[in-house]
Amino acid sequence: AQSVTQLGSHVSVSEGALVLLRCNYSSSVPPYLFWYVQYPNQGLQLLLKYTTGATLVKGINGFEAEFKKSETSFHLTKPSAHMSDAAEYFCAVTLDNYGQNFVFGPGTRLSVLP
Amino acid sequence: EAQVTQNPRYLITVTGKKLTVTCSQNMNHEYMSWYRQDPGLGLRQIYYSMNVEVTDKGDVPEGYKVSRKEKRNFPLILESPSPNQTSLYFCASTSGSAQKTQYFGPGTRLLVL
Repeated sequence: AQSVTQLGSHVSVSEGALVLLRCNYSSSVPPYLFWYVQYPNQGLQLLLKYTTGATLVKGINGFEAEFKKSETSFHLTKPSAHMSDAAEYFCAVTLDNYGQNFVFGPGTRLSVLP
Repeated sequence: EAQVTQNPRYLITVTGKKLTVTCSQNMNHEYMSWYRQDPGLGLRQIYYSMNVEVTDKGDVPEGYKVSRKEKRNFPLILESPSPNQTSLYFCASTSGSAQKTQYFGPGTRLLVL
């Protein structure tokens, strides 16, 4: 069975600092990988995804993530945090085409300090 | 505008009183699913549907029912709600296999007293 771990349920950074949110997965085969963001009182919005091809994936709002098969990781980064980045971030994996076995991590709440 | 809608957005009910949360998508997606979100647990899949009249259990199906009579609609039914079903619920629909992207509704916050 797949599982997803996100190190740190709460991460705080200063405005302008590097954002690093960690995601590790357990899977017997390389999965499809996703990062979603959830702003307060809203649904989840796709930030970026890795399905095939280039392992460094760029998403919206300046975020990017790198799929590292050897480390079973898909960490999310942004060079310079903005106040508007404060939200909860979820890493997710699936092995199949239609995502009937989408597995989400527990989430990391990002706070951005002025 | 492409979207997934859910109703109601907020609901307070009492134990045992049947309720239905509606979900509708206008993107002609074949695949839809329901999740519940609880603090520290992320999202857990309740049920999913690969097409009309095709549904299957996710990770936490106990106490829930679904139906898929039309492609656009996927209601979640709680026949006899209990307090442990107090949660935030999300409906999602998935684009074609090449994209594997789930589009989420705005969520329904349910409180069962």
